[in-house]
Amino acid sequence: ETGVTQTPRHLVMGMTNKKSLKCEQHLGHNAMYWYKQSAKKPLELMFVYSLEERVENNSVPSRFSPECPNSSHLFLHLHTLQPEDSALYLCASSQEKRVNTEAFFGQGTRLTVV
Amino acid sequence: KNQVEQSPQSLIILEGKNCTLQCNYTVSPFSNLRWYKQDTGRGPVSLTIMTFSENTKSNGRYTATLDADTKQSSLHITASQLSDSASYICVVGRTLPYNNNDMRFGAGTRLTVKP
Repeated sequence: ETGVTQTPRHLVMGMTNKKSLKCEQHLGHNAMYWYKQSAKKPLELMFVYSLEERVENNSVPSRFSPECPNSSHLFLHLHTLQPEDSALYLCASSQEKRVNTEAFFGQGTRLTVV
Repeated sequence: KNQVEQSPQSLIILEGKNCTLQCNYTVSPFSNLRWYKQDTGRGPVSLTIMTFSENTKSNGRYTATLDADTKQSSLHITASQLSDSASYICVVGRTLPYNNNDMRFGAGTRLTVKP
């Protein structure tokens, strides 16, 4: 266990559904991240929350909406997704300001959009 | 620019053999280089981290090397085991004043160890 917990582990949703992914970290970190991992492609950074301020990747479609209510929890709200959004979604956390700090990843949520 | 290239894309070896994975990067300014192991359907787990001044780092049967001049790194796995079957991801961190964790990921090398 890395100290970063994601739920659910697997999710199948229709294109008209609304669902949320949850991430929780117990490491006392002050930065949290959402990544998308598609088959045979590098991890793509989607969103960063640093000191509870959002730093956003502008290429992420608005059907993905993050929420960070506190430094330990991060959500990714999903709405009207497309089949190409099917991927492994990974959450990570780090102590941002510490030099050469390590990012710890959760186990991921395997999302399938049908 | 600011890319990480890994080779080979996939590799199959027999149990007990050694192997070496390669990582070339153009990321700048360089902060650190990490190797992660990712089992299928799970999140990556850190194996090693090296800064500019370090040229080798070991973690059990895993040994990473770094040549910051040529911007190359390798991960050597000794006496492979079936449990080593996974994707190995090279991640290069950039030194930026506002976000110390601007990480650039390689696509990974898929290693399969066969009995």
